[in-house]
Amino acid sequence: EVQLVESGGGFVKPGGSLRLSCAASGFTVTNAWMSWVRQAPGKGLEWIGRIKSKADGGTADYAAPVKGRFTISGDDSKNALYLQMNSLKSEDTAVYYCTSLAETSDYFDSSGYYSEDWGQGTLVTVSS
Amino acid sequence: EIVLTQSPGTLSLSPGERATLSCRASQTLSSSYLAWYQQKPGQAPRLLIYGAYSRATGVPDRFSGSGSGTDFALTISRLEPEDFAVYYCQQCGSSPPCTFGPGTKVDIK
Repeated sequence: EVQLVESGGGFVKPGGSLRLSCAASGFTVTNAWMSWVRQAPGKGLEWIGRIKSKADGGTADYAAPVKGRFTISGDDSKNALYLQMNSLKSEDTAVYYCTSLAETSDYFDSSGYYSEDWGQGTLVTVSS
Repeated sequence: EIVLTQSPGTLSLSPGERATLSCRASQTLSSSYLAWYQQKPGQAPRLLIYGAYSRATGVPDRFSGSGSGTDFALTISRLEPEDFAVYYCQQCGSSPPCTFGPGTKVDIK
């Protein structure tokens, strides 16, 4: 059974840094495509970024609001996904979810990706 | 960036009624890009539909997805008490970024 458990959230001042972890079980994180999604209090879901599997190059893509500040990485030895967050702003306050991505394709072989499994989330509060 | 618009913002219905939720994209999508998620208060989102039409494992068959191009829909044929929640569509293809719609809240009339 796939399980994702986030940790590392907490209270941080603007300009500070925080690293979130997502411990995975039931599969190997670096063999999968993974993503981070966040949800500000009372708001909708926001895609932050994703990382490809090692086999597909292991590269990461990011949403514009976090590009250059956030970094997604995976660790084989701990079977964990990480989100390093630097230069934090008040608008980064949110619950952060890690998700495993699955791939599907249509009749024309165009690939799409969806979040199959989700962690329970970890709250990050950025405030002075 | 592909923008998703969901309508209505809130849908007030009674148990047993049919719910139709709309998701419109700012440009044509492959059907493989479109997924639907359900979120209840205090819980993580749950995958319902992927590839526009395919139900995720364990999702009851009263949930169905349809549409193509820029217009997609999630239909709940007969609302059960546990279906009152917020529903999000998402598009995610090979080229980032992926995006979510703003959500539709289905609440009890």
